[in-house]
Amino acid sequence: SQTIHQWPATLVQPVGSPLSLECTVEGTSNPNLYWYRQAAGRGLQLLFYSVGIGQISSEVPQNLSASRPQDRQFILSSKKLLLSDSGFYLCAWSVGWSTEAFFGQGTRLTVV
Amino acid sequence: DQQVKQNSPSLSVQEGRISILNCDYTNSMFDYFLWYKKYPAEGPTFLISISSIKDKNEDGRFTVFLNKSAKHLSLHIVPSQPGDSAVYFCAASYTGANSKLTFGKGITLSVRP
Repeated sequence: SQTIHQWPATLVQPVGSPLSLECTVEGTSNPNLYWYRQAAGRGLQLLFYSVGIGQISSEVPQNLSASRPQDRQFILSSKKLLLSDSGFYLCAWSVGWSTEAFFGQGTRLTVV
Repeated sequence: DQQVKQNSPSLSVQEGRISILNCDYTNSMFDYFLWYKKYPAEGPTFLISISSIKDKNEDGRFTVFLNKSAKHLSLHIVPSQPGDSAVYFCAASYTGANSKLTFGKGITLSVRP
């Protein structure tokens, strides 16, 4: 069966520090991968998605970037965090044209 | 521009009764709709979905109804159980979107014992 791993579960980082969140998927090949963010009091917003290695699409302008160095690995990064980057970050995957996406456990990021 | 709207932030129902969670959308391109359930500090879990070629989909205690002309869908939970207490997100997608989902803000459901 397919599983998705996302870490760390919580993170507290100072303003201006770098960020790296990692997500890996097991049990499937060539998944579509996504990074979503849930800010306080808001719904889930799609930040990035990838349909293959090295292929990244950004949905909203922001202070973050994403990379997909391997088929089942998706990384969310920032060179310098802002206070507004605080939120709950979720990695998700889907396969082919299926429209159900399956989510990881999420990372609670607090920028102080 | 909120393309998927969940206008009621919360809902409280008695155990055993029906819970009805509503969702409206504005983008006519959406042709696939999903409901996710989320507990605090966890990722959302997929609950049920419906394609625009249908107006109803049922899975156990969960039924989703779609009214395309009104751009409205609803999730019915019958009977409601205390374990159903969670945040419910409505999401929408369209063919060719590579499963990119547009989410509403969520509804917090509380089921009272």
